[in-house]
Amino acid sequence: DGGITQSPKYLFRKEGQNVTLSCEQNLNHDAMYWYRQDPGQGLRLIYYSQIVNDFQKGDIAEGYSVSREKKESFPLTVTSAQKNPTAFYLCASSTSGIAEQFFGPGTRLTVL
Amino acid sequence: GEDVEQSLFLSVREGDSSVINCTYTDSSSTYLYWYKQEPGAGLQLLTYIFSNMDMKQDQRLTVLLNKKDKHLSLRIADTQTGDSAIYFCAEVASGNTGKLIFGQGTTLQVKP
Repeated sequence: DGGITQSPKYLFRKEGQNVTLSCEQNLNHDAMYWYRQDPGQGLRLIYYSQIVNDFQKGDIAEGYSVSREKKESFPLTVTSAQKNPTAFYLCASSTSGIAEQFFGPGTRLTVL
Repeated sequence: GEDVEQSLFLSVREGDSSVINCTYTDSSSTYLYWYKQEPGAGLQLLTYIFSNMDMKQDQRLTVLLNKKDKHLSLRIADTQTGDSAIYFCAEVASGNTGKLIFGQGTTLQVKP
């Protein structure tokens, strides 16, 4: 089955720790995206990548980092510099920069 | 800047039609999307409309686009309890980045 997987589904982190969220797709999509969702708000773009070994900051990149070493993988690291990291994180991919995006099931991160 | 606005809540009776409204600001948007999000899950692409179309119908879903007023609507006919979810409209941001600008989401409550 083709799709996007995110792991883990739930993640708990102590303040001051870095944590990495996984996103993998087997759709052969070139573009991948990370969004953050807070209650009662729409999705806000953190980082995106249109091609392997290249990525750009989105609207709320501060405190986050990404890498795109393989076409199918786009991990997101939430660093200790992120002031309010508790949120639902969604990964998406698309065939190109103007095509519809398909989403993974999300990771809920809670900082204790 | 680019912005997408939606009403936050809609409640209907099972069997009625639901109409979810959205306004957007970027008149150059090529595609406009409707996504559905069930509790604790990722976003599911429901339908989309190309900017040169006025209407698109897909089974129980009808999308209407008024470019002059920058208004988009999603009509769900014969609404079922399984349609209870959050519905997001999104426009493609200007510039060939593939970025989507999302509304805040409309929570649809379907009462039996």
